[in-house]
Amino acid sequence: EAGVTQSPTHLIKTRGQQATLRCSPISGHTSVYWYQQALGLGLQFLLWYDEGEERNRGNFPPRFSGRQFPNYSSELNVNALELEDSALYLCASSPGPRQPQHFGDGTRLSIL
Amino acid sequence: GQNIDQPTEMTATEGAIVQINCTYQTSGFNGLFWYQQHAGEAPTFLSYNVLDGLEEKGRFSSFLSRSKGYSYLLLKELQMKDSASYLCAVPHGNKLIFGAGTRLAVHP
Repeated sequence: EAGVTQSPTHLIKTRGQQATLRCSPISGHTSVYWYQQALGLGLQFLLWYDEGEERNRGNFPPRFSGRQFPNYSSELNVNALELEDSALYLCASSPGPRQPQHFGDGTRLSIL
Repeated sequence: GQNIDQPTEMTATEGAIVQINCTYQTSGFNGLFWYQQHAGEAPTFLSYNVLDGLEEKGRFSSFLSRSKGYSYLLLKELQMKDSASYLCAVPHGNKLIFGAGTRLAVHP
């Protein structure tokens, strides 16, 4: 069974640009979660999608947004990039809410 | 609100046993997760406790006391590859709140 896949592995952008990160969940999983893990910090919840709808979002500004497609894959978009957006962005999927989440390998976003 | 506390760092010797504690404060309880995260890698699911008591899974066991807001992860027969961060997490509504993690260093 394929795990959660994320692309790209690394992404380098400059301030003010926009970034798009992609995630494919485990087959059969309808919930997709996005987390930010800045260097030396813990995992911070960003967004949760289930059945194509945004169900919850963490304490992040509106320039962090995303969507979930009919095949349950998901995109995270970050607009007007700032230096502090440099982090590892992890996507996780689960069969449903409050079920164990399985993580992808992440996208490392670097803002120059 | 949610509050999760874990020790920042621990060290242990290969072959030994180590216990990583996690205390939490949450409004409403829907279980507690433990994850392992090696440096530069994604977290991997270890365990999920909903009921009080000890659940054993090979060298790893996880304990929960809901009345005390307390859990621990027990690692036996430590191996060098167990050097990693161990994260406890509790669901809050529809999201998972993670502790800052405990960095475990296993030395020969």
